[in-house]
Amino acid sequence: GAGVSQSPSNKVTEKGKDVELRCDPISGHTALYWYRQRLGQGLEFLIYFQGNSAPDKSGLPSDRFSAERTGESVSTLTIQRTQQEDSAVYLCASSLGEWETQYFGPGTRLLVL
Amino acid sequence: QKEVEQNSGPLSVPEGAIASLNCTYSDRGSQSFFWYRQYSGKSPELIMFIYSNGDKEDGRFTAQLNKASQYVSLLIRDSQPSDSATYLCAVNLVGGGADGLTFGKGTHLIIQP
Repeated sequence: GAGVSQSPSNKVTEKGKDVELRCDPISGHTALYWYRQRLGQGLEFLIYFQGNSAPDKSGLPSDRFSAERTGESVSTLTIQRTQQEDSAVYLCASSLGEWETQYFGPGTRLLVL
Repeated sequence: QKEVEQNSGPLSVPEGAIASLNCTYSDRGSQSFFWYRQYSGKSPELIMFIYSNGDKEDGRFTAQLNKASQYVSLLIRDSQPSDSATYLCAVNLVGGGADGLTFGKGTHLIIQP
C-alpha cells in the first residue's frame, strides 16, 4: 500500500504567518510521530499520537506549535507566528504500534523568510 | 538524560571493504534498536531493526546488539558507492512511543570507488 505522505512538500512563508503541515499515515498504523530536522542536524522528536490522543507533547518547542489528529488518520502540525528559527524539514512517521518500526514520509521543507 | 551517541564522521571506506558503524545509548532499559539510512535531502529509510542480543543479518547488512554494554552496531559488507549516506541509529527508549525514537546525530559514510 501507499507509504506516509506529507503536504506541502515545500513551504515558504513570511515571519509571523501561520502554517499548517499535513501528514497522512500508512493505513492501519495507530501511532504517528512528528519530528523536526534542521539543516545538518539530527532528528528532534516533537510529538507522538496513539490513535487521536497525544500522551506526550513535551517535545513541542514552544506554545506556537500545536498538533492534532483525526481518529487514526490524518494529522496536522500547526505553527503560529512563524519565526526564522522554525525553518527546517518537518518529518512525519507512522507505525503499527508503539514499539513497532516507524516509517517516514518525505517531509515538508519549511522556509521562514 | 536519554542519549544516543554516534561518531559524526565522515567515515571513509574503500569500495568492497566492510563499513562498521557504531552507536551507544544511555538508557539500559531500551528495548528496540533501529538503523536508518538518510541520503542528502531525503527522509530516513529503515535499514534494519534488532531487539535481541547478538547478530542479525539481512543481505549485506548485519546489526549487532550488546545490551550489557549498551552498544549497537551496523556492518555493511562489500561496500558500494551507493551506500554513501548518513546512517542514523535510533533507540526506542523505555518510555516507548511516548518518547518517539531517540536518534543519534548520524554517521556520514563515504564509500570511495
